[in-house]
Amino acid sequence: GAVVSQHPSWVICKSGTSVKIECRSLDFQATTMFWYRQFPKQSLMLMATSNEGSKATYEQGVEKDKFLINHASLTLSTLTVTSAHPEDSSFYICSARDDALYSNQPQHFGDGTRLSIL
Amino acid sequence: GDSVTQMEGPVTLSEEAFLTINCTYTATGYPSLFWYVQYPGEGLQLLLKATKADDKGSNKGFEATYRKETTSFHLEKGSVQVSDSAVYFCALSVGAGGTSYGKLTFGQGTILTVHP
Repeated sequence: GAVVSQHPSWVICKSGTSVKIECRSLDFQATTMFWYRQFPKQSLMLMATSNEGSKATYEQGVEKDKFLINHASLTLSTLTVTSAHPEDSSFYICSARDDALYSNQPQHFGDGTRLSIL
Repeated sequence: GDSVTQMEGPVTLSEEAFLTINCTYTATGYPSLFWYVQYPGEGLQLLLKATKADDKGSNKGFEATYRKETTSFHLEKGSVQVSDSAVYFCALSVGAGGTSYGKLTFGQGTILTVHP
């Protein structure tokens, strides 16, 4: 149980393109999902907390207009990298927490999306 | 604020060697502690967790004990295998009532390589 599916797993596109990444909780509901960014050989940096039915909460230094987050249902959050440029190339990972469990239960992670902007 | 400090890697061991990866933390509330593992090109998988002091998390031969007095959560395994080669992340999460509810704070990660 507790599977998080992230799609696509790999994207290569031209500079200026907008890219959408989906994060789905397959067998549980998730009011809250999280989006992380990971640079090579570094730790995960939390970008934003995605809240179903309301606006996402962005971490300091993360551009809201660059990284659009939509959490339209209890099982789906999307991250759209708008007008992507080479510096946006990175590994993006989402996670979700099962609403049915108590707080401080572990987050379940997707397999990540490797974004390469040419 | 909350933070997690892991021993710097990379760590290189021979198969069947004993593994310790140190992790210490600072937190404003009463955190839950986690170890995650990341295999090349993949997302993170929960390895083990502990939610209160003196709890021991264990999984796949790995163990870690929540030590409140030393604010530590060191990861250990008695006999590592080549398949254990991965990046290991220590993390904490502060629960409801804290401003960081549910958010994970990660350590910098420790690369483990196990040779046959």
